[in-house]
Parts: sequence; structure tokens; C-alpha cells
Amino acid sequence: QVQLVQSGAEVKKPGSSVTVSCQASGGSLSSYAINWVRQAPGEGLEWMGGIIPVFDTPKYAQKFQDRVTITTDESANTAHMELNSLRSEDTAVYYCATARSAYGPTVSWGQGTLVTVSS
Amino acid sequence: DIQLTQSPSFLSASVGDRVTITCRASQGISSYLAWYQQKPGKAPKLLIYAASTLQSGVPSRFSGSGSGTDFTLTISSLQPEDFATYYCQQLNSYPPTFGGGTKVEIK
Repeated sequence: QVQLVQSGAEVKKPGSSVTVSCQASGGSLSSYAINWVRQAPGEGLEWMGGIIPVFDTPKYAQKFQDRVTITTDESANTAHMELNSLRSEDTAVYYCATARSAYGPTVSWGQGTLVTVSS
Repeated sequence: DIQLTQSPSFLSASVGDRVTITCRASQGISSYLAWYQQKPGKAPKLLIYAASTLQSGVPSRFSGSGSGTDFTLTISSLQPEDFATYYCQQLNSYPPTFGGGTKVEIK
């Protein structure tokens, strides 16, 4: 299974942007569906979007459609998730996670990146 | 979007107890359901996929069943390391939604 290591914690001001990175080892990210999932403090898991092999373009949850961009850098075997127009409600742990197929379960998870949005 | 309703949301049990968690989908999802375990401060861990297939390395006391709209996760004999929060996820259609979670605590 691929191992995923995410970038470190971030503190951001409301209205700004954040990019979280996810570097893979032990396999090529291009072989997997790459998902981003977030978890607000004390809350459940929320799928944000992903790069899914069967779709031509990244797939995003409607809630984040206008604010999130997910990309991959194949040369660096790294995925990135950029979230714009941050607000306090975006304070959460953000996870990258990979699946073997578009409709398969997420087997490998990164360690999570805490993003704190505060003025 | 497909909604997943887990019950109970909180469960208090003792070591050795048999525990059952249910997950109901707002529409049929065949067997495209996965179960995850999450401990505080850690990423979720896949336990079961395709409703009833045990992920490699997961103890056999965990089992899953169901298809269509109703699913269950059963822990046959609860162990100390099983106290955690459990989530179901549907993989039938995008977005792949999660249930609200079931927190299993020590009685």
C-alpha cells in the first residue's frame, strides 16, 4: 500500500487561502483515486473532493465546488488541496486518502493536517 | 446526495460484549459500503469494504453484513483496543458520503 505524508499544520486568517500537500511513497499516485476528507473538531468525516481516474476532471463536493482545487504533481508524486476564502468554520483536520478505484474504499490515509482559521 | 444514518450515535459497552452498529442509506447502494474505525488524533482505518469483506489484517471479531439500504457492523467480543468511533461510507455514487459516526465507550 502507498504511504502518504502530509504537510504541517497551518494557521490562516479569514479570507485567505491554504494549500495542503500529500506526498506518496511506495507507489505512484497516478495509479490511485486521491480523495480529500476533512474533520472539524469533535465532528464527523466530510468528503471534499478528489482526483478520480474515471472522471476527466477533479470531482468536488457541491459544498466546496467554488472554493477548492485539487491537483497532482506526478513528478513529485504529490497531491495538493487548495482551499480559498477561508472562514472560521474551515478549522479542521484535512486528510488525503487513496483508493484503488473510483468506487473503492480508501485504504491509505495521510496523518492529517490541522488548519486553524482565526483572526 | 445519498444520506447515511448511523445508530446509535453513542454506545457504552464492556469488554467481551457483542456490539452491533447499523447504517441506513437514503437509497439503495447495493453492497458499496465501507466501515472505518477512528481513534482520537488518528486517521480512520478501513475495517470492512463491499459491505462484508474484511480488510487484510483486521481481526475476525469484526464482521459486516447487509445490502441495499440496511447494513450492520458487528464486533463479536469487544476488546479494549476497539473503543473508538466507527463510520460507514457509501461508495455507490459521488459524493461518497459518510455516516455521522458511532462512538463506542467503556461502560
